[in-house]
Amino acid sequence: SQELEQSPQSLIVQEGKNLTINCTSSKTLYGLYWYKQKYGEGLIFLMMLQKGGEEKSHEKITAKLDEKKQQSSLHITASQPSHAGIYLCGAAGRGGADGLTFGKGTHLIIQP
Amino acid sequence: GAGVSQSPSNKVTEKGKDVELRCDPISGHTALYWYRQSLGQGLEFLIYFQGNSAPDKSGLPSDRFSAERTGGSVSTLTIQRTQQEDSAVYLCASSSRGWSYEQYFGPGTRLTVT
Repeated sequence: SQELEQSPQSLIVQEGKNLTINCTSSKTLYGLYWYKQKYGEGLIFLMMLQKGGEEKSHEKITAKLDEKKQQSSLHITASQPSHAGIYLCGAAGRGGADGLTFGKGTHLIIQP
Repeated sequence: GAGVSQSPSNKVTEKGKDVELRCDPISGHTALYWYRQSLGQGLEFLIYFQGNSAPDKSGLPSDRFSAERTGGSVSTLTIQRTQQEDSAVYLCASSSRGWSYEQYFGPGTRLTVT
């Protein structure tokens, strides 16, 4: 079965600094999703990447997919307190009918 | 429009009892997913419904778990003879067509088995 490893597991960043979260898959990626979860709440969809080399941005968050490395990265520029939470990457299997496999998540804390 | 809704938001039950969790997907979404999130296991896929096709039950942890989706809309996840290890947050998600489209998650049901 597919496994996703996220790094780092937790991250403390000073407000205004940039940061990067990585997600590496043990198998070929057919679709990579990034979600954010506030503590005790549901998941908020951020971005979906499907093609190798694809890069998407939303406000100060950019995600890239490196198909050859079976890896995706999430980069936040000029971090703000609102960016704090748990970031989860999820991957679809081939054919997609088996739902998404998720990484364990990266806990992001923003220090004022 | 309204997002994915789930009920109840919290459920405390005694070991051995049956529980039913409900999910109302976004109107018009044909795909519906159930996941479970616990401290030790992270977020795990349980079951997937797509339209009127037979569900993919490959993620259900045991035969005590079952789910149905009536009329292609509302879904219920049933756990029979609950065990303490069933304690978790159960999340439901829906998408407009299938796996290649973004899944929108509900707020979850926190189940505690005492």
